[in-house]
Amino acid sequence: QQQVKQSPQSLIVQKGGISIINCAYENTAFDYFPWYQQFPGKGPALLIAIRPDVSEKKEGRFTISFNKSAKQFSLHIMDSQPGDSATYFCAASRGSSNTGKLIFGQGTTLQVKP
Amino acid sequence: GAGVSQSPSNKVTEKGKDVELRCDPISGHTALYWYRQSLGQGLEFLIYFQGNSAPDKSGLPSDRFSAERTGGSVSTLTIQRTQQEDSAVYLCASSPQGDNVLTFGAGSRLTVL
Repeated sequence: QQQVKQSPQSLIVQKGGISIINCAYENTAFDYFPWYQQFPGKGPALLIAIRPDVSEKKEGRFTISFNKSAKQFSLHIMDSQPGDSATYFCAASRGSSNTGKLIFGQGTTLQVKP
Repeated sequence: GAGVSQSPSNKVTEKGKDVELRCDPISGHTALYWYRQSLGQGLEFLIYFQGNSAPDKSGLPSDRFSAERTGGSVSTLTIQRTQQEDSAVYLCASSPQGDNVLTFGAGSRLTVL
């Protein structure tokens, strides 16, 4: 019930391509779904987040697609760049007032080849 | 400070010793989290402090792990009688009241020999 499952574990994409990372959750009480980006030796940093009242959110080259009925959400990175090479984590929590802990997926290591 | 500060950044210890890891959250942030990141693994939730409420300790893996937060600010994660499987990066994060946006520190890398 508390798990967030993320795939793939690793991903290699050519520069300019589209990177797609998927996550699935079980707990229907989750109502906040962020994506975090982590570079080696650094802590994760918030990239983009969505709430279930919308099906898509776009910020620059990054888009979250959300499918409430399937309990799935995904991160799309358009025009992927070598600087996007990092580990990406999806997460989920319930409670919009900081009352719930974030449950993270296992992470996806993205390598964008020049 | 401008960000979440963690110390030490690296700690090597012998099996059976106790270790303390410190987290200095962003000033004014009422929520503080500890996560553990093992090699190639995701972020495992350990404990969550929110204001003056009782902490959510549901992620602590054993009674060898404990954490406290003094004065609603600095937090210390203590691991007693360390084991080799405790080797990991321990990440601290904080967030403001009413906001789920976590700001993470760079982590404390613990190696138990």
